[in-house]
Amino acid sequence: IAGITQAPTSQILAAGRRMTLRCTQDMRHNAMYWYRQDLGLGLRLIHYSNTAGTTGKGEVPDGYSVSRANTDDFPLTLASAVPSQTSVYFCASSTGDNSPLHFGNGTRLTVT
Amino acid sequence: GQNIDQPTEMTATEGAIVQINCTYQTSGFNGLFWYQQHAGEAPTFLSYNVLDGLEEKGRFSSFLSRSKGYSYLLLKELQMKDSASYLCAVMDSNYQLIWGAGTKLIIKP
Repeated sequence: IAGITQAPTSQILAAGRRMTLRCTQDMRHNAMYWYRQDLGLGLRLIHYSNTAGTTGKGEVPDGYSVSRANTDDFPLTLASAVPSQTSVYFCASSTGDNSPLHFGNGTRLTVT
Repeated sequence: GQNIDQPTEMTATEGAIVQINCTYQTSGFNGLFWYQQHAGEAPTFLSYNVLDGLEEKGRFSSFLSRSKGYSYLLLKELQMKDSASYLCAVMDSNYQLIWGAGTKLIIKP
């Protein structure tokens, strides 16, 4: 593993199903983030974690949950998917504060 | 509210120079970032400005004026591989990033 790894790369999901998007980093970064990217809109923050054991809500947290049991992993769970959650999801990490973000390659999720 | 504005799309010619503008209104300011994103790929970090002035990094330069709430990204000697979206993001007083929708740059031969 080098950098940030996201899985799966893409997924088609039936509405109402539960789904966990995985994110793992090997850079020992304290801060991790989940964003969604939709056409014509800027990246929108879903949830973040400043350090292992803590999480916070971003701009669009409804319908999503996260956990940060250790430094490396930051999974994002959709408890009951809805079509409006169709998007490209990016996980990112940084050393904190005003340092640049490193992004994973994204998960393209389609909810039907 | 907080807002980042940048043009939706720009077209330029290979070998030329292009300037991509970004204006912002945010609650406080802790720096401005530019990222490059090729279609279907992740954003990658290009530059960071926190003080007024020009930061040069090879063919790419980024300028900041905090008093005007304005930045630009200058790309010189354009290459076909520079075709991408360029994202402007501002870090506010809470160290939260506010993102623009991105500028799609099309390079023509």
